[in-house]
Order: sequence, then C-alpha cells, then structure tokens
Amino acid sequence: GENVEQHPSTLSVQEGDSAVIKCTYSDSASNYFPWYKQELGKGPQLIIDIRSNVGEKKDQRIAVTLNKTAKHFSLHITETQPEDSAVYFCAATRWPGGATNKLIFGTGTLLAVQP
Amino acid sequence: ETGVTQSPTHLIKTRGQQVTLRCSSQSGHNTVSWYQQALGQGPQFIFQYYREEENGRGNFPPRFSGLQFPNYSSELNVNALELDDSALYLCASSPGLGYGYTFGSGTRLTVV
Repeated sequence: GENVEQHPSTLSVQEGDSAVIKCTYSDSASNYFPWYKQELGKGPQLIIDIRSNVGEKKDQRIAVTLNKTAKHFSLHITETQPEDSAVYFCAATRWPGGATNKLIFGTGTLLAVQP
Repeated sequence: ETGVTQSPTHLIKTRGQQVTLRCSSQSGHNTVSWYQQALGQGPQFIFQYYREEENGRGNFPPRFSGLQFPNYSSELNVNALELDDSALYLCASSPGLGYGYTFGSGTRLTVV
C-alpha cells in the first residue's frame, strides 16, 4: 500500500546549524509533497510544498528537494533558531487524485534546536 | 479570515460510548478531511467530504462516520468507542479538490 518513510525520528542541532529531514514515498503516482510543522497542542501547519514538476523550492531559510527517480524528498532548514523546535511531518499525495487527494504522512521528526 | 476551528478541544469518553466531533471550515473552503493522529504518529486519513458528499475514505471501520453541512462545516461521529480510538482528531479544510489543506488544532479524545 501507499507508504511514506521519514528519517530521522529525532534530530538535535545547535542554534545556527542546518537540519535535514528525509522522506521516501512508495506510490510512484504521487506528485505533491507538502511539509508540515506541528507544535505542541496545535494542528499541523504547512511550511512548504513541492510538486513533481519541480526539483527544488526555497522559501527563506527553508528548502525542499525532490528526486522523483529515487522517490526521495528532503526538507532543509538553514540557520536554525530555537523557535524551529517542533515535530515536522512530510506527506505525499496524488494531486489532483481523482475523487480524493488524501495525504499520506510520514511518522514525524522531532527537531530540537539547542540555544 | 478565520481558520479551521474544532470543538471540543478535549474529551473523555467511556468504552462503548458514542462521540461527535465538530469542525468549522475556513471561510470559502468547501472540502473537509478528517485525520486521526495517534500519539507519536503521523495523521491517518479517515475520510473526506466535498460539497456535502463523502468522496474518499481511508482504512477505518464503518463506526466512523461523518457529515458535511450546507455551510461546509462538518462532524465526525464514532460509535462503540474502543480504547484504541484515543487520539488527536484533526479536521482540515481546502478551497476545493486539488488545493492545499489548512488544519485545525484538533480534538484530543481519550477513551477509558
């Protein structure tokens, strides 16, 4: 079935360092890959997304890369700050996916940025 | 522009009982999806409603059901609650099929 694997499950970095989170998806028809940040007690918040016709997208300190051949995509956060500490989820879906564009989520990465 | 609001924020129920969770979608959004997020896991898709009709369902039993109303708000109903139903239930709305989702803060359901 459809599956998204995410690594690492926890990541601790020093403030100012870079953080990289990697995901692998199984459904080769997936073409939309959002990343969500979830803070304690809150719902997931979309921070960046990428479509399969693009290999890389950047928004200030955040970037996402996609390798369709290997079915890998990664989140890169540069110059990390303590407020970046949260759980990050990758997801994949077919978009538009016929009747439903359900998101298949990874298992999450707990990022801790040490001041 | 208001976001997605869910109620209640927390709920404790006894095994075997029934529960109804509510979601008000973001203004202008006609598509609502519900997700279950167990502790330490990623959200799992339950079902989606588009213009008041269910148009997709995940791997959840029939005791999970829902409704979408003409104003596009939605309800998630769970019958015969089991201990494993304890989770954060997330509602997400979208301006239509093929558009990104905005999530609410969720309802934390505890079944004892």
